[in-house]
Amino acid sequence: DVVMTQSPLSLPVTLGQPASISCRSSQSLVYSDGNTYLNWFQQRPGQSPRRLIYKVSNRDSGVPDRFTGSASGTDFTLKISRVEAEDVGVYYCMQSTHWPRTFGQGTKLEIK
Amino acid sequence: EVQLVESGGGLVQPGGSLRLSCAASGFTFSSYWMSWARQAPGKGLEWVANIHPDGSEKYHVDSLKGRFTISRDNAKNSLYLQMNSLRAEDTAMYYCTRDGDHWGQGTLVTVSS
Repeated sequence: DVVMTQSPLSLPVTLGQPASISCRSSQSLVYSDGNTYLNWFQQRPGQSPRRLIYKVSNRDSGVPDRFTGSASGTDFTLKISRVEAEDVGVYYCMQSTHWPRTFGQGTKLEIK
Repeated sequence: EVQLVESGGGLVQPGGSLRLSCAASGFTFSSYWMSWARQAPGKGLEWVANIHPDGSEKYHVDSLKGRFTISRDNAKNSLYLQMNSLRAEDTAMYYCTRDGDHWGQGTLVTVSS
């Protein structure tokens, strides 16, 4: 199975400051169609997961543009340009190139 | 608006069975891959199974093969997860998802004597 390794696992951030979460895959996530199926999810306390980003850098509908995704090889990054109170929660990367789909361990973002 | 509503969770004894259901609305159900994922209390997310739009292909996580089976009824816009030989470690919130882009609120399964 593809192992997804996130860092940091805990991320205290001051309101209005940027935040960055890293995710590394144990193998290439480039699919035979040329796409890279790397997703980012947000799970607010007590809520279901919500997809923020798909195929590395595409924002889902309704996702604020302060969230951006990028990649360099097997290293992926989710950046929040200015953290707001509503961003508190756990963030997961997930690959959907290979079966089984696998998630990172999660990064807990909290306000400092 | 896409809606996914899970049901069928509850308390079950080890070795027992449960069938989870997911009622879908707001989109053409028969056109989408559908999935189940789960989350043990206080833990991370785990993908469980996927099913092709017409039900012809199914993928289950290896560790659950033989015990869990995903299925669907496109006439009823419904997704199912049959869970047999349940173990304490299967205790989790089970989510129905439209292959990741939309998620239900989940149904809690507790396996305990």
